Amino acid sequence: QVQLVQSGAEVKKPGASVKVSCKASGYTFSIYHMHWVRQAPGQGLEWMGRINPSGGTGYAQKLQGRITMTRDTSTSTVYMELGSLTSEDTAVYYCARDGGNHGDYDYWGQGTLLTVSS
Amino acid sequence: QSALTQPPSASGSPGQSVTISCTGTSSDVGGYNYVSWYQQHPGKAPKLMIYEVSKRPSGVPDRFSGSKSGNTASLTVSGLQAEDEADYYCSSYAGSPYVFGTGTKVTVL
Repeated sequence: QVQLVQSGAEVKKPGASVKVSCKASGYTFSIYHMHWVRQAPGQGLEWMGRINPSGGTGYAQKLQGRITMTRDTSTSTVYMELGSLTSEDTAVYYCARDGGNHGDYDYWGQGTLLTVSS
Repeated sequence: QSALTQPPSASGSPGQSVTISCTGTSSDVGGYNYVSWYQQHPGKAPKLMIYEVSKRPSGVPDRFSGSKSGNTASLTVSGLQAEDEADYYCSSYAGSPYVFGTGTKVTVL
């Protein structure tokens, strides 16, 4: 069965960086795009960016310059690194598989809570 | 890219129907037949309920249906059940970036 397993919760200080992983299993990793979505406490879903099978990326404009997505096909893992953290980056971060390559997120990771606090 | 507009809340009694709207522009909802709907229970990851405007993934009850007219998409939940109480989000392909709706909390009275 398809599974996306994310790394554990993180606590970071303002100005630091964080790298969250998402390990995929149960399907052909090299076929599907992977997206990252975050949700601040009590808020809605926010699209952050996506990485395609060849490693090409697209990011939300507000995160440009601070975000990097990468993928390791040898371990079927995608990574999302976010730098220059502020308290506004406190959120649950999800990876989500794009089932149809048009934003149909058919499988989601369990979420990774990032807390940014001094 | 601005978020798609959804009503903050909707409600209905068990067995009734509720419809949630999702309004965008000709650059997203109106421009593509790639609207998805997600259900999210508290503390859980979202779950895909509808994709490509009106298609249901395997395992999603046929009480859930989707449609689109112009720049507005809709999700209808028929025969409301207690477990349908959740937050619902729409999403639309817009080239890139992708965009989510503002979210609607559905309450089963």
